[in-house]
Amino acid sequence: NAGVTQTPKFQVLKTGQSMTLQCAQDMNHEYMSWYRQDPGMGLRLIHYSVGAGITDQGEVPNGYNVSRSTTEDFPLRLLSAAPSQTSVYFCASSSGARGTQYFGPGTRLLVL
Amino acid sequence: RKEVEQDPGPFNVPEGATVAFNCTYSNSASQSFFWYRQDCRKEPKLLMSVYSSGNEDGRFTAQLNRASQYISLLIRDSKLSDSATYLCVVNGDPGGGADGLTFGKGTHLIIQP
Repeated sequence: NAGVTQTPKFQVLKTGQSMTLQCAQDMNHEYMSWYRQDPGMGLRLIHYSVGAGITDQGEVPNGYNVSRSTTEDFPLRLLSAAPSQTSVYFCASSSGARGTQYFGPGTRLLVL
Repeated sequence: RKEVEQDPGPFNVPEGATVAFNCTYSNSASQSFFWYRQDCRKEPKLLMSVYSSGNEDGRFTAQLNRASQYISLLIRDSKLSDSATYLCVVNGDPGGGADGLTFGKGTHLIIQP
């Protein structure tokens, strides 16, 4: 049981490049979320999903897309990377409202 | 607008001391409350849930005060390994995503030998 996994661990991009951050969970959780964490800002919700085929925007969705074709996977796409997207990205999953939220180990992204 | 507020610290505390910090929330309809712990350059992990009657887990005690809308975390006999950032988490915020969770920015605790 691996829990929540994220790849890559580190990534350096140039402005304008696109990439996909991968997230997978093997706990059969319906709820999955993407956060970014910046110094002094805490965790900010980017996008979330309450089940396969259903996604919605969080607090800071601009510049990011998500899809949820399976229960296990919830990739985050950066369409055209900008330096303001330099951050640590965490994926999380939970069994539902009031359930414990389990986080992946994070992806550290630097956009030059 | 963030609806969960925490003192960012840092709290510098000698080993063996007792330390407490609070978190205030603005949504009176919130039903679930948690403390998460985040070590440097790691992901947040659940420390404990907070129940209406208060609850204890070893050296850690969590309290909920619904009237004043705050939760607290008390750490007794602090250890060097308690050094971390403690995140207050509350549900019930309509903007809080799939499970309605809103995270505070965290309180940084440093236990000194």
